[in-house]
Amino acid sequence: QVQLVQSGAEVKKPGASVKVSCKASGYTFTSNAMHWVRQAPGQRLEWMGWINTGNGNTRYSQKLQGRVTITRDTSASTAYMELSSLRSEDTAVYYCARVYMVRGSEVFDPWGQGTLVTVSS
Amino acid sequence: DIQMTQSPSSLSASVGDRVTITCRASQSISSYLNWYQQKPGKAPNLLIYAASSLQSGVPSRFSGSGSGTDFTLTISGLQPEDFATYYCQQSYSTPRTFGQGTRLEIK
Repeated sequence: QVQLVQSGAEVKKPGASVKVSCKASGYTFTSNAMHWVRQAPGQRLEWMGWINTGNGNTRYSQKLQGRVTITRDTSASTAYMELSSLRSEDTAVYYCARVYMVRGSEVFDPWGQGTLVTVSS
Repeated sequence: DIQMTQSPSSLSASVGDRVTITCRASQSISSYLNWYQQKPGKAPNLLIYAASSLQSGVPSRFSGSGSGTDFTLTISGLQPEDFATYYCQQSYSTPRTFGQGTRLEIK
């Protein structure tokens, strides 16, 4: 079955960077884009950006532009999200989500299990 | 950016009840509206796509309707496993945006 497995929880100091991985299985990795979404405690889901896993093209949230980088390794069927210059407000659960089109509509399905990133001095 | 606003933010109901959650977009998004269910400590799970299409494997007690700016998610005959938080999400334009969520609690 289609599955996305993310790397484990991270604790980082302000100003540091974090890189979260998302390993895909059960489908052809380069056939679907991968998006990243985060959820701070008690907050709504926030879209961060996405990568075309076939050609590597990316697009990011304006809010995070300059601090977020999404990459992929097609040989490992893995997508990565790196966030730099971390601040306390970046404490959140980070999710990857596969995207596909159904009846002309784009959906996020499935999602990874989530990776908790805690930013604390 | 398109703003998505859900109401209510929280809702108490009993097993067997029929509940409706509303989602409003700040501009027309046609039918590019999805609904997700999230349980504590878990990732969101797709319920409804294109405003009214039921995702495979999702019970038929879930239904969606609407187009343009106003959408609803209805659960007919609440089951114990339905108590969760529900999010709407627009896929009309980038950035993709989500509603603030509706927490459905047991009365």
